[in-house]
Amino acid sequence: DAGVIQSPRHEVTEMGQEVTLRCKPISGHNSLFWYRQTMMRGLELLIYFNNNVPIDDSGMPEDRFSAKMPNASFSTLKIQPSEPRDSAVYFCASSVGQVPNEKLFFGSGTQLSVL
Amino acid sequence: AQSVTQPDIHITVSEGASLELRCNYSYGATPYLFWYVQSPGQGLQLLLKYFSGDTLVQGIKGFEAEFKRSQSSFNLRKPSVHWSDAAEYFCAVGPITGNQFYFGTGTSLTVIP
Repeated sequence: DAGVIQSPRHEVTEMGQEVTLRCKPISGHNSLFWYRQTMMRGLELLIYFNNNVPIDDSGMPEDRFSAKMPNASFSTLKIQPSEPRDSAVYFCASSVGQVPNEKLFFGSGTQLSVL
Repeated sequence: AQSVTQPDIHITVSEGASLELRCNYSYGATPYLFWYVQSPGQGLQLLLKYFSGDTLVQGIKGFEAEFKRSQSSFNLRKPSVHWSDAAEYFCAVGPITGNQFYFGTGTSLTVIP
């Protein structure tokens, strides 16, 4: 299996621009997670989906952030408009099943720089 | 509130020396505890996990961790560090509700020759 695939690996954009991060989970996994990693706050859960339905988006920082999962094999995290404080590494992860969830499979992350 | 604390932001050890990375958690019930490693430019990889039973758990790459309920700790150890162990290490607790995990802020490990 190719694992969780994220694109792009690196994104550099200017403040105010729209940014779209993409994720392809492992085939057969029905839970998908978006995390953000910063030096100050460490790894934070932004949102997670189960069977393509958003279950908890309480970690989404503000309305500029939105996430979709139109089908079981694809998810996007969009920031519009982007701001310099959004600069971080964004991880996507997927897993099988519900509680207890013993293993998450992480993608390699997208390094976002907003200038 | 549920939280995970990794008190050491950065640790430097010599190759061949022993290693212990600290993790403390705050959680309202029996926790499920995890250690992940993130190598430069890579995603996160699960090192080991604790659900129940033996409080000393063995993981990959020669790592082990001990769950101590009385101390709310889940410290990661390795008897002899290799240069390839240089990475960022994250402790996590979960799930709490649904499939949420809560992570510590990470400990950066540097290994010197």
